[in-house]
Amino acid sequence: DGGITQSPKYLFRKEGQNVTLSCEQNLNHDAMYWYRQDPGQGLRLIYYSQIVNDFQKGDIAEGYSVSREKKESFPLTVTSAQKNPTAFYLCASSIEGRVNEKLFFGSGTQLSVL
Amino acid sequence: GNSVTQMEGPVTLSEEAFLTINCTYTATGYPSLFWYVQYPGEGLQLLLKATKADDKGSNKGFEATYRKETTSFHLEKGSVQVSDSAVYFCALSEDPGGYNKLIFGAGTRLAVHP
Repeated sequence: DGGITQSPKYLFRKEGQNVTLSCEQNLNHDAMYWYRQDPGQGLRLIYYSQIVNDFQKGDIAEGYSVSREKKESFPLTVTSAQKNPTAFYLCASSIEGRVNEKLFFGSGTQLSVL
Repeated sequence: GNSVTQMEGPVTLSEEAFLTINCTYTATGYPSLFWYVQYPGEGLQLLLKATKADDKGSNKGFEATYRKETTSFHLEKGSVQVSDSAVYFCALSEDPGGYNKLIFGAGTRLAVHP
């Protein structure tokens, strides 16, 4: 079945540590996105990519980094510069990244700070 | 900037009750409007959408009408089931630079009991 796979489901970060969240899709979609979800708040866009080897910052990119070396993969690194990383992280994709396209979401990764 | 406001939850209903979840928006231009649903432990799924004023989106017994005059997109269902228990997100699309950006509301949790 086609879809988006995020791993791990739960992740713990120590102080000063960088951690990487995995996102893989087999939908052959060009566009991929990372959102952060905090309790009682809507989703906020961290980074997006419309094509391989290209990505742009969203509304809350500080303390995060991404890469897009392959069409199917869009990993997110939460760096030590992100002072409040505890949140639920959702990866999504869409066919071309055009306005009004349906987004397909993964099941998310819950990141917590030890 | 553009924004989406949803009624606060949780909304608790008995099975077969009528559901309304209010959503209002602020936007320049003419955005498309969406409802996404998040079941426990999962990512978001598109429930329905409307792309222009007076359009009605519908799916799985849920409906929402794009009301430009009241800047609203309220979600309704005539008879809810326990399986509808989830968090519902209203969202609008904007096109800041030719890419697909969604602005999400804070989400409304629905709990349906037998």
